[in-house]
Amino acid sequence: GENVEQHPSTLSVQEGDSAVIKCTYSDSASNYFPWYKQELGKRPQLIIDIRSNVGEKKDQRIAVTLNKTAKHFSLHITETQPEDSAVYFCAASKMSGGFKTIFGAGTRLFVKA
Amino acid sequence: GAVVSQHPSWVICKSGTSVKIECRSLDFQATTMFWYRQFPKQSLMLMATSNEGSKATYEQGVEKDKFLINHASLTLSTLTVTSAHPEDSSFYICSARDTLSYEQYFGPGTRLTVT
Repeated sequence: GENVEQHPSTLSVQEGDSAVIKCTYSDSASNYFPWYKQELGKRPQLIIDIRSNVGEKKDQRIAVTLNKTAKHFSLHITETQPEDSAVYFCAASKMSGGFKTIFGAGTRLFVKA
Repeated sequence: GAVVSQHPSWVICKSGTSVKIECRSLDFQATTMFWYRQFPKQSLMLMATSNEGSKATYEQGVEKDKFLINHASLTLSTLTVTSAHPEDSSFYICSARDTLSYEQYFGPGTRLTVT
């Protein structure tokens, strides 16, 4: 069945450094890839998404890249800050009908001040 | 931004009783809503996909007669946990997919404790 793998499971960086989280998906028909940030005790928040017709998207310190051929997509956070510490989930879906969204297992990011 | 509400935020019930959880999209229409369980420090486990006006699609291993889902309008889906048992205690979280933008937004979750 459909599967999304996410690495690493835990990531610790120094404040100001960059953080990269990588995901791979199995369903080649997937065409929508959102990223969510979940702080402790709170709901997942959509932080950025990318659709299969583009290879890269950037929003301030956050960027996402997509390689459809390799079925890889990545989240890049630059100039990390302590408030970036959270669990990040990648996901893959199809933009039609009632298709479900498949989530990765999550990456716990720690940004050390 | 888009808002999804979920009610109640927490509930404690006795074993054998039923509990209904509501999920509402407040400022957008959601043809599709999703129900998840989340265990501490783990990912979101999809239970079922709820489509407005039709039967929900349940994931493998999720009992449809135990977790009743109703999606009667474009802004409301409900999950009823029937004959609850202590092992049903969990964090239940819904999400709604904006019909126009396709973006998916999460509710704040409901913590269910069955005693």
